[in-house]
Amino acid sequence: EDKVVQSPLSLVVHEGDTVTLNCSYEVTNFRSLLWYKQEKKAPTFLFMLTSSGIEKKSGRLSSILDKKELFSILNITATQTGDSAVYLCAVALSNQFYFGTGTSLTVIP
Amino acid sequence: GAVVSQHPSRVICKSGTSVKIECRSLDFQATTMFWYRQFPKQSLMLMATSNEGSKATYEQGVEKDKFLINHASLTLSTLTVTSAHPEDSSFYICSARRQHNEQFFGPGTRLTVL
Repeated sequence: EDKVVQSPLSLVVHEGDTVTLNCSYEVTNFRSLLWYKQEKKAPTFLFMLTSSGIEKKSGRLSSILDKKELFSILNITATQTGDSAVYLCAVALSNQFYFGTGTSLTVIP
Repeated sequence: GAVVSQHPSRVICKSGTSVKIECRSLDFQATTMFWYRQFPKQSLMLMATSNEGSKATYEQGVEKDKFLINHASLTLSTLTVTSAHPEDSSFYICSARRQHNEQFFGPGTRLTVL
């Protein structure tokens, strides 16, 4: 059965800390892996990863995919209170998405 | 973990027809369900929030007469795209909220309107 697992489920850090969020998957017909940030309403797109070992970076956020070990990590450096959110990982197949349950990140001032 | 299913997973239809998409929470009761639209490499766009037994709350810019939402029970919400046109082609994704604000996403329905 296809599945996507995120860890940890929740995380509380202080401003300035660096965090690493994990997403592992077991799916057939993998196409891509996507990361989203969800604050209040709809998840906001962060990254789409299709190739192994190529880091994608946007400001303090970066992500990388390992297709051999079937996981991805999302790194956030120098965290700020505005980074507090649920971070969702989703794996896209040809006609479906599988979402993880998310990691709830709280950044304390 | 909680499971949310969608049916159908993929649908191809002719322009002008209506398409119904079902979203079910399989092992929990969801008082609130959400409907999203997904464009490639873009954020999920929230279309509407569906509460069991009451009218759905639509986001600004979403036509409620075109995207009919029915939340008939605590485990089922449906989205009907009426008089579909090619520009309605997209992934439609639902999610269901359980207690403690846990949210679980469905696998999506790919709609192609010819």
